[in-house]
Amino acid sequence: NAGVTQTPKFQVLKTGQSMTLQCAQDMNHEYMSWYRQDPGMGLRLIHYSVGAGITDQGEVPNGYNVSRSTTEDFPLRLLSAAPSQTSVYFCASGTGGTGNQPQHFGDGTRLSIL
Amino acid sequence: GQQLNQSPQSMFIQEGEDVSMNCTSSSIFNTWLWYKQDPGEGPVLLIALYKAGELTSNGRLTAQFGITRKDSFLNISASIPSDVGIYFCAGLSGYALNFGKGTSLLVTP
Repeated sequence: NAGVTQTPKFQVLKTGQSMTLQCAQDMNHEYMSWYRQDPGMGLRLIHYSVGAGITDQGEVPNGYNVSRSTTEDFPLRLLSAAPSQTSVYFCASGTGGTGNQPQHFGDGTRLSIL
Repeated sequence: GQQLNQSPQSMFIQEGEDVSMNCTSSSIFNTWLWYKQDPGEGPVLLIALYKAGELTSNGRLTAQFGITRKDSFLNISASIPSDVGIYFCAGLSGYALNFGKGTSLLVTP
């Protein structure tokens, strides 16, 4: 019963480096999304997707790219890492339709940018 | 994003007590959600509310979708130590989910 799987769990980057955070779900969910969680800020939506080939921006999209080539995978790319992107990143999925909300979250990727 | 005001920010209670927390917004939402997050893990969906005035229970948890669609509350009855964690409210507007800043709950035996 994998649910939503995020890799890696921890990552340290230098400013300017790029990387991809992986997210995969095995529940055939249409809706997937990425959030970042900072102390005292709650969770903020970065990007979301309502199905394969469809993505849209959330509240804080700058500095991040996403793609949705398959239903299962929704990777998040940091193009040129900045210290302000130090955060915990959560991927989530949902069934879509009236359930267009994150019903299942991964355990997060803890990212530090030096 | 739209700002949600969640209160209280933290609660320190004894086992067996009831707990109440709420969330308010200046904007209308079509769906209200409540999540619980344990340290080092992702949030877990507790209750989803889809209609104004709706009252929904999940075991010892009860949540209500406010009539004005701008607020929601979560009650936990007869708290137990495993209720410890951070509780988040979230309002759904279109495809965007807006989270409150969380209520940290501590329960002493």
